[in-house]
Amino acid sequence: NAGVMQNPRHLVRRRGQEARLRCSPMKGHSHVYWYRQLPEEGLKFMVYLQKENIIDESGMPKERFSAEFPKEGPSILRIQQVVRGDSAAYFCASSPTGAGEEYIPYFGAGTRLSVL
Amino acid sequence: AQSVTQPDIHITVSEGASLELRCNYSYGATPYLFWYVQSPGQGLQLLLKYFSGDTLVQGIKGFEAEFKRSQSSFNLRKPSVHWSDAAEYFCAVDTGTGGGADGLTFGKGTHLIIQP
Repeated sequence: NAGVMQNPRHLVRRRGQEARLRCSPMKGHSHVYWYRQLPEEGLKFMVYLQKENIIDESGMPKERFSAEFPKEGPSILRIQQVVRGDSAAYFCASSPTGAGEEYIPYFGAGTRLSVL
Repeated sequence: AQSVTQPDIHITVSEGASLELRCNYSYGATPYLFWYVQSPGQGLQLLLKYFSGDTLVQGIKGFEAEFKRSQSSFNLRKPSVHWSDAAEYFCAVDTGTGGGADGLTFGKGTHLIIQP
């Protein structure tokens, strides 16, 4: 059973370009979470999705950031018009449930975004 | 809102010595508690978790953690560290209110250095 797969592992973008980060959850997991790890700030929750639904996006910046988890295919975190401050490691986690004792977020290896 | 404090930014331990990493949380009830480990350039690997029941939980790689409600603590321990344990360790909490809302709240991490 493969773990949480994220790609690309490294992504370089110039200011103003778009960044698309992909996350395939573990088999059987329908709950996906995105986190951002900034230097000196640690890991911060961004958004929680289930298939075709955004459940909680309280940690997402209001502009330029969006996320989806379609019925088929991976979850996508999209950053439009990237700026240098978006440079960070972005981690995806998946869980078989969103609550209870089976709620265990398993993390992918992350995508390291560098904005030039 | 919940918060997590890992008071030690860096800890240096000799190989073979015992280890304790501290974690304190702030939340009105008992949250779900997790410890993760991150090696450089890698994702987060779950070491152990506490939801309820026995307050001493065993994890992978010989780690254990003890939940102490009176101290709002969830300290991680290992009786004898190995050089391969050198990494960043994160304590995380979730309020368990259901639906994974707000995701996990992470501490800032403790960087573990192993001396030969």
